[in-house]
Amino acid sequence: EIVLTQSPGTLSLSPGERATLSCRASQTVSSSHSAWYQQKPGQAPRLLIYSASSRATGIPDRFSGSGSGTDFTLTISRLEPEDSAVYYCQLYTSSPEWTFGQGTKVEI
Amino acid sequence: EVQVVESGGGLVQPGGSLRLSCAASGFTFSNYWMYWVRQAPGKGLVYVSRINNDGGGTTYADSVKGRFTISRDNAKNTVYLQMNSLRAEDTAVYYCARGGGYHAFDCWGQGTLVTVSS
Repeated sequence: EIVLTQSPGTLSLSPGERATLSCRASQTVSSSHSAWYQQKPGQAPRLLIYSASSRATGIPDRFSGSGSGTDFTLTISRLEPEDSAVYYCQLYTSSPEWTFGQGTKVEI
Repeated sequence: EVQVVESGGGLVQPGGSLRLSCAASGFTFSNYWMYWVRQAPGKGLVYVSRINNDGGGTTYADSVKGRFTISRDNAKNTVYLQMNSLRAEDTAVYYCARGGGYHAFDCWGQGTLVTVSS
């Protein structure tokens, strides 16, 4: 069974800084089956990145994704106050199918 | 506007049943796989179940297999989650989500809270 580990658990940064969030899988995954979501308190998750590096509709270009194999990264190039949220990575494998990481909290 | 709206949550006793509904609008519902994802209070996201576009294929997380049943009515643009033999650990906000390409979830509802407690 695949395990996803996100790091760090919490990231405290200032506006304008760069945030780098990591997601490591316990086994190799197709990069086309990886995604990142943003969740603000009391809100539903929102898709940011799919297929490792493709931005979802309406997502600002300061959000970018990369990675392959077992290591995936979400980068927020210039943090804005509204980027405060929990960020989840998600991978798809044959079993179990859809798995989420435990989340990284970004504080600005 | 593409949206999905969940309903049907509430307080239920252990061993009880509940049926969640998710009404979709703004897109051709019958073209998309649909999913349920849950989030226990203060915890992360967990996949629960999925159904393919014509209802002919379903899968479940091991934790709910044999207790939950996902179904859909494409004429009503609605997906359902029938939850039986509920346990305290099923307490969570249940989100309905649309399957976009590449096994990602591209549209989420606001969620409906299910509380299992005596």
